Amino acid sequence: QQQVKQSPQSLIVQKGGISIINCAYENTAFDYFPWYQQFPGKGPALLIAIRPDVSEKKEGRFTISFNKSAKQFSLHIMDSQPGDSATYFCAASMIEGTYKYIFGTGTRLKVLA
Amino acid sequence: NAGVTQTPKFQVLKTGQSMTLQCAQDMNHNSMYWYRQDPGMGLRLIYYSASEGTTDKGEVPNGYNVSRLNKREFSLRLESAAPSQTSVYFCASSDTAGPYNEQFFGPGTRLTVL
Repeated sequence: QQQVKQSPQSLIVQKGGISIINCAYENTAFDYFPWYQQFPGKGPALLIAIRPDVSEKKEGRFTISFNKSAKQFSLHIMDSQPGDSATYFCAASMIEGTYKYIFGTGTRLKVLA
Repeated sequence: NAGVTQTPKFQVLKTGQSMTLQCAQDMNHNSMYWYRQDPGMGLRLIYYSASEGTTDKGEVPNGYNVSRLNKREFSLRLESAAPSQTSVYFCASSDTAGPYNEQFFGPGTRLTVL
């Protein structure tokens, strides 16, 4: 119930291509879904987040697509760049309460120049 | 603003030794968290403090203790280190007053237990 399943574990994309990372959850009480980006040797940092009252959120080249009925959400990186090479974590949380995140297991993205 | 700071950056311990990981934030956040990051496991919550004076267990609390020293500082203690506690430890903080509880992470402590 508390798990967030993330796939794929690793992803290699050519420069200019589209990177897609998927996550699925079980607990319907989750109502906040952030994506965090982590560069080697650094702590994760918030990239983009969505609440389930919208089906899509776009910030620059990064888009979250959300499917409430399927309990799935995904991150799309358009025009992927070598600087996007990092590990990406999806997460889920409940706004009401203790604000704990349940993180996915991470996706290591490598964008080839 | 320094954000979230952690000390030390690296540490090597022998099995059975104890140590305390320090974390401080200067963003006046109410909530603080300790995570561990292991390959293929993502980030797992060890303990959290929703507000000053309170602490609660996360997913993997066994072998750890925490202290919320004041609003700024949240420490994690390993009383008797075990090789299974070899990991990268991250501290994070968040302002629970806002609608989006973005967590701000420190740079991490890489701990090796021999």
